[in-house]
Amino acid sequence: AQSVTQLDSQVPVFEEAPVELRCNYSSSVSVYLFWYVQYPNQGLQLLLKYLSGSTLVKGINGFEAEFNKSQTSFHLRKPSVHISDTAEYFCAVSDPDSNFGNEKLTFGTGTRLTIIP
Amino acid sequence: NAGVTQTPKFRVLKTGQSMTLLCAQDMNHEYMYWYRQDPGMGLRLIHYSVGEGTTAKGEVPDGYNVSRLKKQNFLLGLESAAPSQTSVYFCASSYRLRVWGAFFGQGTRLTVV
Repeated sequence: AQSVTQLDSQVPVFEEAPVELRCNYSSSVSVYLFWYVQYPNQGLQLLLKYLSGSTLVKGINGFEAEFNKSQTSFHLRKPSVHISDTAEYFCAVSDPDSNFGNEKLTFGTGTRLTIIP
Repeated sequence: NAGVTQTPKFRVLKTGQSMTLLCAQDMNHEYMYWYRQDPGMGLRLIHYSVGEGTTAKGEVPDGYNVSRLKKQNFLLGLESAAPSQTSVYFCASSYRLRVWGAFFGQGTRLTVV
């Protein structure tokens, strides 16, 4: 079964500093990867996704992620964070073994990003 | 455009009581999902549906039942609530998960005492 690892449960960062949130997945075959953001007391919102093509993916709110097949990683980055980026971030993978009609997302345990003024 | 709407937003149940959580989407999506979110465990899939009249078990289905009688609605039932079912429940829907990802509701915070 597919699995996703987010090693950092909490990441504190000073405002305007860069940040990287790490995500590793278990599959060695082609996968589809996603990053979601959850603001306090809200549902999840799609930040960006990797399906194929360029390994550098740009998303909303200035975030980007790089797909690295050899390291099975999909780390999320932002060059300069803002207070409004305080949220929980989830990495997710679509099961590569599932056929159309049986698609599911497997989520990591999440990383809580706290921006320090 | 409402997207995915969950009802209710909060609920407190006593152990052994039953309840139904309603999820409604107005995007004509085929796929719908129920997840539970617990601290330190991320989101875990309870049940999902690939179309009207179909349901399937996810990672943690025990203690829950679901129904998809209409394409736009996906109901999650707890027949006999237990304290271990205290959680935040999220519904999601998708047109094609691998391409578009999923759209999530605002969540239902359920406490079983």
